[in-house]
Amino acid sequence: EVQLVESGGGLVKPGGSLRLSCAASGFTFSSYSMNWVRQAPGKGLEWVSSISSSSSYIYYADSVKGRFTISRDNAKNSLYLQMNSLRAEDTAVYYCARGQSLVVVAATDYWGQGTLVTVSS
Amino acid sequence: SYVLTQPPSVSVAPGQTARITCGGNNIGSKSVHWYQQKPGQAPVLVVYDDSDRPSGIPERFSGSNSGNTATLTISRVEAGDEADYYCQVWDSSSDHYWVFGGGTKLTVL
Repeated sequence: EVQLVESGGGLVKPGGSLRLSCAASGFTFSSYSMNWVRQAPGKGLEWVSSISSSSSYIYYADSVKGRFTISRDNAKNSLYLQMNSLRAEDTAVYYCARGQSLVVVAATDYWGQGTLVTVSS
Repeated sequence: SYVLTQPPSVSVAPGQTARITCGGNNIGSKSVHWYQQKPGQAPVLVVYDDSDRPSGIPERFSGSNSGNTATLTISRVEAGDEADYYCQVWDSSSDHYWVFGGGTKLTVL
């Protein structure tokens, strides 16, 4: 059974940093692209970042470019999102989601339950 | 940047057919994916690559894509289909990124 479990969310002050993690199990992690998608309270889905299976291709939304860094450790079956210079508008539930294949253009077929990040003073 | 436009809400009676549209410039040239999200839950992929269904998704869910509009069709709507639905495409016209539509709230009357 495919499982994605996010962790690392919490309350942080504006300008602060957080590192989100996503532990994957039930599939060959190194064969799939991975994504972070967020959802602000009461709002729609917003794509944040994607990484190909071998980390060769990495993409970011303009809203987080230069502040967030996506990475993965295929040996540990884990996906990460380092978030720096956080702003109030980054407040959201952050979902880890698996791509259907090793390339980032594939749809996301499994999602974690999300971790809440709150940016507030 | 590429924009996907969805109606904020669609209402349908049980047993009827719901159609949720997703508009975008020449969207017919892109692969469209659709997600269902119920309150307090993570999204679920219901249609990918315009019209394919993941395993476990009922045949009642279907998709089409042509011109400037993609459509998610839900036949024989059930109360359990009430949810938010989002369309998604990968846009590489100016930069490389995923785009989501604003979402459509499906209400089963």
